[in-house]
Parts: sequence; C-alpha cells; structure tokens
Amino acid sequence: GAVVSQHPSWVICKSGTSVKIECRSLDFQATTMFWYRQFPKQSLMLMATSNEGSKATYEQGVEKDKFLINHASLTLSTLTVTSAHPEDSSFYICSASAPTSGDSYEQYFGPGTRLTVT
Amino acid sequence: GESVGLHLPTLSVQEGDNSIINCAYSNSASDYFIWYKQESGKGPQFIIDIRSNMDKRQGQRVTVLLNKTVKHLSLQIAATQPGDSAVYFCAENNYGNQFYFGTGTSLTVIP
Repeated sequence: GAVVSQHPSWVICKSGTSVKIECRSLDFQATTMFWYRQFPKQSLMLMATSNEGSKATYEQGVEKDKFLINHASLTLSTLTVTSAHPEDSSFYICSASAPTSGDSYEQYFGPGTRLTVT
Repeated sequence: GESVGLHLPTLSVQEGDNSIINCAYSNSASDYFIWYKQESGKGPQFIIDIRSNMDKRQGQRVTVLLNKTVKHLSLQIAATQPGDSAVYFCAENNYGNQFYFGTGTSLTVIP
C-alpha cells in the first residue's frame, strides 16, 4: 500500500520560534495533501488542503499566516508553524490523496508529528 | 469544516464479543465514507469504506452499515481482539478529495 512519512515525529520548541514539519508520499505522487490537527482525545480537524504548485486552501478559522504550507513537489508538502505558542502544541497529521475508481479518492495518512511548545 | 472537536465517547467490550461503533455524519451530499482506526500516537489506518449507493459492506471481521435516511454509519467488529483497542473514526467525502472526520469512539477490549 501507499506510504506517507512525516518528519520529525516529535519536536519540542520554544515559544516564539518556528517549526517546519515535512510530509512525504514515498511510493506515489500526490497532487493533493492535507494537514490535520488533533488535540488529545479529540477528532482530527482538517486545517488545510495543500495543492502541488498552487496556494493551499485553508479551513475556516485557520490562520494562513501562522500555518504556512508549501507543496513544492508531487511528493512533498511542508507545514511551518510560525511564532509558535504553547496553545499550538498538538498532534499534526498529514495525508496524501490518491484517486481510486471513479471519482473517489483514498487518503493515506502519515504517522503524525507531536509538537510541544514550551 | 464539518468535523467537531468533542471529547471521545468510549466503548468497552470483552474479548471475543462483537463490537458496534456508531457515527453520525453531517452532510447529506456525502457519497463516500471510510472507517479509520487510530492507535495512540499514530496516524489513522484505513479499515473499510462504503459508497452511498450501498447500505452494507463486509470485510475481514468488519462490516460497515450505512443508513442514509438518518445519516448514520456503523462499524461492526466480529470477535473483538485486544489488538482492536484503538480510537475509531468515520470520515465523509462528497465528490471531492477532502475528508471530514467524525468525533471518534475509543474502543477498549477487556481480555
């Protein structure tokens, strides 16, 4: 099956600094990748849709200037959390979309990145 | 977005019993649904999917039921095993490639 990796798997940073998280599709090309955020004991919240070669589409309430997304190639999307604050501490999960039969898509998820801001 | 960040409901079952996990979805236009399993500290794993033109689909030890009238999905796990302990999410998709996740249910299997 398709494999999606994330790096790093865990990061601790100081308040005010920026952190970059990478999402890679290892054995397939993904024109679209997604970034989710998950707080403890809660569901995944879609933050943004990352399209290769174009600007990301952000969900309502997600600050695009704080969560910078770059999808420079068909196998790599990055999420940069700028000027991180403790409330940004969360589990960030990416997924890569691949078409299945008809008009449907299946998403392959990365293992997640745990961000702790001190 | 259509997902709601609520605290997870929990379900405890004895090993060997059947489990039923329920999910209410929000968009009547959604035409494709997936159940995911998420273990602690890991990303979601695909379990089974179903399209809106079906009301039941079976996999290995798992069955998904779809009731479009009441916008309800269920996941049935037969002969639940300790390795099934995880959080289970349903996700809905409507003619695009974006998925929105339901609240999720935390399943604990008691040996």
